Amino acid sequence: AQSVTQLGSHVSVSEGALVLLRCNYSSSVPPYLFWYVQYPNQGLQLLLKYTSAATLVKGINGFEAEFKKSETSFHLTKPSAHMSDAAEYFCAVSFNAGGTSYGKLTFGQGTILTVHP
Amino acid sequence: EAQVTQNPRYLITVTGKKLTVTCSQNMNHEYMSWYRQDPGLGLRQIYYSMNVEVTDKGDVPEGYKVSRKEKRNFPLILESPSPNQTSLYFCATSGLAGDEQFFGPGTRLTVL
Repeated sequence: AQSVTQLGSHVSVSEGALVLLRCNYSSSVPPYLFWYVQYPNQGLQLLLKYTSAATLVKGINGFEAEFKKSETSFHLTKPSAHMSDAAEYFCAVSFNAGGTSYGKLTFGQGTILTVHP
Repeated sequence: EAQVTQNPRYLITVTGKKLTVTCSQNMNHEYMSWYRQDPGLGLRQIYYSMNVEVTDKGDVPEGYKVSRKEKRNFPLILESPSPNQTSLYFCATSGLAGDEQFFGPGTRLTVL
């Protein structure tokens, strides 16, 4: 079975400050990991993904995430927050293998990021 | 333009009245999936399909049905909707299971 835990349902930062959104996963096989962003009244957009290549993954809008197997983590960071980064962020886990979980994408509960001027 | 479309975008209905939410994609993707989004619970997978005529249950399949008769369409059917199915529903597609999923704009359903 696979699961995702996002630590902190709400994160608030000042414009220009570091953004750190935490994600820990559980998977019985090597995972694929994703971060999605959802702006108000919109669908989900992929920020970045890890699929067993480089452990440091760079995404759109200046975001990046590092896969740490020993910590089972995939935290999302951005060095300097912008007002336009205010949104809800979802971490998700999947894997590409045979078995009953094939094709299943499991999401975390989401973290709402607020950016103050 | 590559896109995933859902209809309707908003729907208010009453308990027990059958409804269908359509999902269509023009990316020739094999994999399609339905999710519901509820505050504090993130997105939970309802059903997914790896190809035509191949569907499987996700985490919360109770009260829902799906069919995959054509590659591009994956409708979600609520035979007898109940108020606990009030939610925001998303359809998603990908070229491969486990790969990036592309999401539709969502359907906000209210069951009275």
